[in-house]
Amino acid sequence: AQSVAQPEDQVNVAEGNPLTVKCTYSVSGNPYLFWYVQYPNRGLQFLLKYITGDNLVKGSYGFEAEFNKSQTSFHLKKPSALVSDSALYFCASMDSNYQLIWGAGTKLIIKP
Amino acid sequence: EAGVAQSPRYKIIEKRQSVAFWCNPISGHATLYWYQQILGQGPKLLIQFQNNGVVDDSQLPKDRFSAERLKGVDSTLKIQPAKLEDSAVYLCASSPSYTSIGANVLTFGAGSRLTVL
Repeated sequence: AQSVAQPEDQVNVAEGNPLTVKCTYSVSGNPYLFWYVQYPNRGLQFLLKYITGDNLVKGSYGFEAEFNKSQTSFHLKKPSALVSDSALYFCASMDSNYQLIWGAGTKLIIKP
Repeated sequence: EAGVAQSPRYKIIEKRQSVAFWCNPISGHATLYWYQQILGQGPKLLIQFQNNGVVDDSQLPKDRFSAERLKGVDSTLKIQPAKLEDSAVYLCASSPSYTSIGANVLTFGAGSRLTVL
């Protein structure tokens, strides 16, 4: 069965430092991977996706994600964190039935 | 472009009462989803519609939950009778077409927070 793992419940980063939110996946066939962000009391918002092509995917708000097939990872990154990036981040994978398999989420806290 | 509209934003009910949530997706989006999100967890798919047909309702507790999308546009999710464990945020999302991988980016509404006492 397909699965998505986000190994860290919470990530703490100082403002201005680079951030990484980790995601690993287990899929059969080609992986289709997504990152969504959820700000407090808001619905989820799409950040970026990997379908095919370049391993480095650029998305909204300065975020990017690196697809690594050998490590089955799709880590979310940003070169310089902002306090406003503090939110809940979800990684998801699409299965062969076009259904999204969601990770449990990682709470990102950016400290001033 | 207007987003996904949901109402009510907040609802507090006693257990065994009923509640209904409404969702209006983005115009032209064929696929509509209802998710349940319990605090601290990822979203759990309850039901997925393609136009007015059900694609997946395997995780919908059908003894108490029901959903419809009669005209292939807006949708209603109902819980009757509610249990304490139904306390959660109910998220509605839509996408242009779930079978097109590149186009299957979900747009979510703000959610409806349900508290069952």
